[in-house]
Amino acid sequence: SYVLTQPPSVSVAPGKTARITCGGDNIGSKSVHWYQQKPGQAPVLVIYYNSDRPSGIPERFSGSNSGNTATLTISRVEAGDEADYYCQVWDRSVVFGGGTKLTVL
Amino acid sequence: QLQLQESGPGLVKPSETLSLTCTVSGGSVSSSSHYWGWVRQSPGKGLEWIGSIYYSGRPYYNPSLKSRVTMSVDTAKNQFSLRLSSVTAADTAVYYCARRLGLGEPFDYWGQGTLVTVSS
Repeated sequence: SYVLTQPPSVSVAPGKTARITCGGDNIGSKSVHWYQQKPGQAPVLVIYYNSDRPSGIPERFSGSNSGNTATLTISRVEAGDEADYYCQVWDRSVVFGGGTKLTVL
Repeated sequence: QLQLQESGPGLVKPSETLSLTCTVSGGSVSSSSHYWGWVRQSPGKGLEWIGSIYYSGRPYYNPSLKSRVTMSVDTAKNQFSLRLSSVTAADTAVYYCARRLGLGEPFDYWGQGTLVTVSS
């Protein structure tokens, strides 16, 4: 089965740029979706189809996907961005990455 | 605005069957190209897809859970349901219902989630 690998944690200072990676075999050939989940809440879609943003998601959130790595980039990080982030693809079934906890220092 | 709401017992005994229902409002479970799914999250862990059911009733299950999962759609009640048999403590989790617009599409609407504990 297809495996997505995320770093368990990423830390960033406010105002800086956070990059959360999602590794998978030739993931660049797949469509990657990203979710933000804050404690006690349901996940929220923040990036779909590698780099598209749903309405209501700040432009600070962007995504890219190439080769074996997809990346979620959060620019000008704010305290409110602190959350768990999950990547997801479809590979004959839905596959989620293990999640990355973003800590804003 | 589409809204999804999970309901069902919060406590299930080991070896019994977990049953949850997701009620859809602001939209129809019969809408073409809609996939209605379930995702769970064990305490302190990541997201795990359980399965999805097409608006027409065709199901798609996580291979690791397939032998224990049954999903269905009730168009009259505008609901879809999950049944997970032979549960163990490992099935203790928050269960979310969610919608996708295609197999490769993202989950764009989620329920708030419901905690199900498996314990005697």
